[in-house]
Amino acid sequence: DAGVIQSPRHEVTEMGQEVTLRCKPISGHDYLFWYRQTMMRGLELLIYFNNNVPIDDSGMPEDRFSAKMPNASFSTLKIQPSEPRDSAVYFCASSLDVAGTSTDTQYFGPGTRLTVL
Amino acid sequence: GQNIDQPTEMTATEGAIVQINCTYQTSGFNGLFWYQQHAGEAPTFLSYNVLDGLEEKGRFSSFLSRSKGYSYLLLKELQMKDSASYLCAVPLFSGGYNKLIFGAGTRLAVHP
Repeated sequence: DAGVIQSPRHEVTEMGQEVTLRCKPISGHDYLFWYRQTMMRGLELLIYFNNNVPIDDSGMPEDRFSAKMPNASFSTLKIQPSEPRDSAVYFCASSLDVAGTSTDTQYFGPGTRLTVL
Repeated sequence: GQNIDQPTEMTATEGAIVQINCTYQTSGFNGLFWYQQHAGEAPTFLSYNVLDGLEEKGRFSSFLSRSKGYSYLLLKELQMKDSASYLCAVPLFSGGYNKLIFGAGTRLAVHP
């Protein structure tokens, strides 16, 4: 398996622009997670999906952030409008389950390094 | 709720042994994960413990004591490539689902 795939790997944009990050989970994984990582705040869960349905979006910082999962093999995280404080590495991860067993193991994509100027 | 504590930084010498501790407070327990993250890369899975005791996997071992809310990652025969951040994570059960809560991570620097 190719693992979790994310694009783009790097994104530099100007404040106020729309940013769309993309993720393809591991085939067969029913759970997809979006994280943000910064030096100050560490790894934060933004939202996660089960079978394409958003389950917990309590980590989404503001209405400027939105996420969709139109099918089992694709998800997007959109920031509109972007701000400099959104600069971070955004990771997508997927897992088989969240049942409290080893099948909860999450596999991370390579991340998107976002810089908002 | 969930509270996870790890030392911020550690240093060690190539060939030595290092122990990275993690303490957690959780209302329920569904296992503990260790991840390794090299600078500029994604976290990668190292180990999962759900029962007390030591789980050995090559040069890396992970220990868990549920009664003490304590885990450690033991790295033997350290190599330069082991310089990385090590994150422990525990599931938080909320809204009928578990989600992983990560500690801030321990940055390990291995010196020659």
